Amino acid sequence: NAGVTQTPKFRILKIGQSMTLQCTQDMNHNYMYWYRQDPGMGLKLIYYSVGAGITDKGEVPNGYNVSRSTTEDFPLRLELAAPSQTSVYFCASSYLAGGGETQYFGPGTRLLVL
Amino acid sequence: KNQVEQSPQSLIILEGKNCTLQCNYTVSPFSNLRWYKQDTGRGPVSLTIMTFSENTKSNGRYTATLDADTKQSSLHITASQLSDSASYICVVSPIGGTYKYIFGTGTRLKVLA
Repeated sequence: NAGVTQTPKFRILKIGQSMTLQCTQDMNHNYMYWYRQDPGMGLKLIYYSVGAGITDKGEVPNGYNVSRSTTEDFPLRLELAAPSQTSVYFCASSYLAGGGETQYFGPGTRLLVL
Repeated sequence: KNQVEQSPQSLIILEGKNCTLQCNYTVSPFSNLRWYKQDTGRGPVSLTIMTFSENTKSNGRYTATLDADTKQSSLHITASQLSDSASYICVVSPIGGTYKYIFGTGTRLKVLA
């Protein structure tokens, strides 16, 4: 199993550009999550999904969109990139949620908006 | 406000020594508390998961303890190795917030030879 994979590893965007961060998991997990990690801060939940076709907002959803057309894929879309979106983005997945389940994280995408 | 605070922010120890990292939380009630290890440039990896009723959980040289009365948890690392150099993150899941995990800011540990 590759686990959770993310692409790209690193990207530089200009203000106003858009891009899609890709996330794929091969563990047949129902639950998938997008987090951002800013320097010196804890991870913040952007969006999550409980299964194909179902997504919902987390703590910091503004400026982002997601879709979940398959169990495996959970892309994160940035529209009109802003400097405040400079961060490291982590995708995660879990089989269950709310209990003692383990979340598996991808390696992250480092995004710089200039 | 639900918060998770960790101390110290950073720590340097010599290889072979033990260390203890602290996590104080205000999340109540909560369903479980986790410790993650995050290597530089990588995603977090789960070390331990404890429910609110558990006092201790071990994973090799890592032992987590939980005192729900004082709302404190600690992660003890025994006989540290160079590969233990990483950030260690405490995460608390409140009851009723199924998809809500409150992450601490982490303790950055450096183990020197």
